[in-house]
Amino acid sequence: EAGVVQSPRYKIIEKKQPVAFWCNPISGHNTLYWYRQNLGQGPELLIRYENEEAVDDSQLPKDRFSAERLKGVDSTLKIQPAELGDSAVYLCASSHWQGSYNEQFFGPGTRLTVL
Amino acid sequence: QQQVKQSPQSLIVQKGGISIINCAYENTAFDYFPWYQQFPGKGPALLIAIRPDVSEKKEGRFTISFNKSAKQFSLHIMDSQPGDSATYFCAASGNWNTDKLIFGTGTRLQVFP
Repeated sequence: EAGVVQSPRYKIIEKKQPVAFWCNPISGHNTLYWYRQNLGQGPELLIRYENEEAVDDSQLPKDRFSAERLKGVDSTLKIQPAELGDSAVYLCASSHWQGSYNEQFFGPGTRLTVL
Repeated sequence: QQQVKQSPQSLIVQKGGISIINCAYENTAFDYFPWYQQFPGKGPALLIAIRPDVSEKKEGRFTISFNKSAKQFSLHIMDSQPGDSATYFCAASGNWNTDKLIFGTGTRLQVFP
C-alpha cells in the first residue's frame, strides 16, 4: 500500500512570493490533515478535512494561507505571500477510523525555506 | 490546558540500555495517547498508543506506562538499539476535539553502540 505522497519535498522561495504544496493521501482515507512542524518542535495542526469539507481550520492563518481538497482526495495548501516565519516543514497526514481510534499516517513533508 | 509537556529534550543511551521519555498533560478530556517516531527527512510514524482505561501497553521492546491520576505517561524502550536513534513525540487527543492531536516538543534519542 502506497503511503501519503507529498510534493515538492523541498522549496526555497523569497519572501512575499507564493508557494503551494500538494498531498495525495492513502487510498480510502477520508480524513486529511495539514500540519506545520517548526524546527525542534512537534507538528501543529493547520487544517483538517473530512472528505471535501474543512471541519477544523481554526489554526490556519487565513490572511495568507488557503487550502482545498477537491473531490475529497488530493489536497493543496497555499501560502501567499510567504513570510520569513513560514519557514518550516509542512506535513500532510491521512487517517481512517480503526474502530477505537483514528490512526494518522504522515507523509515525508515539504521543507519550506523563505529567504 | 491543551499542552503536552515532554522531557527530556535529548537522551543518550548505550546499546542495550533502557530509554525512558516522559510526558504530562493537563486536560482530563484527552483519551488517546500515541507515541510517534520520526527519522530525519521523514514524517512521524505511529509507534504505539494507549487509552486511559489501561495502565500499561507493551509491543515488543516498546512499553507505554500510563498514570491517569498523575496525568502522566511515558515510553520505555528496552534493549535500545542504534536503529532506535530518532526523535520521539508523545501526543494526546480526545473525541471532544475531533481527534485533533496535540504533540509534545519531542525527544531526540541517540543510542551508541
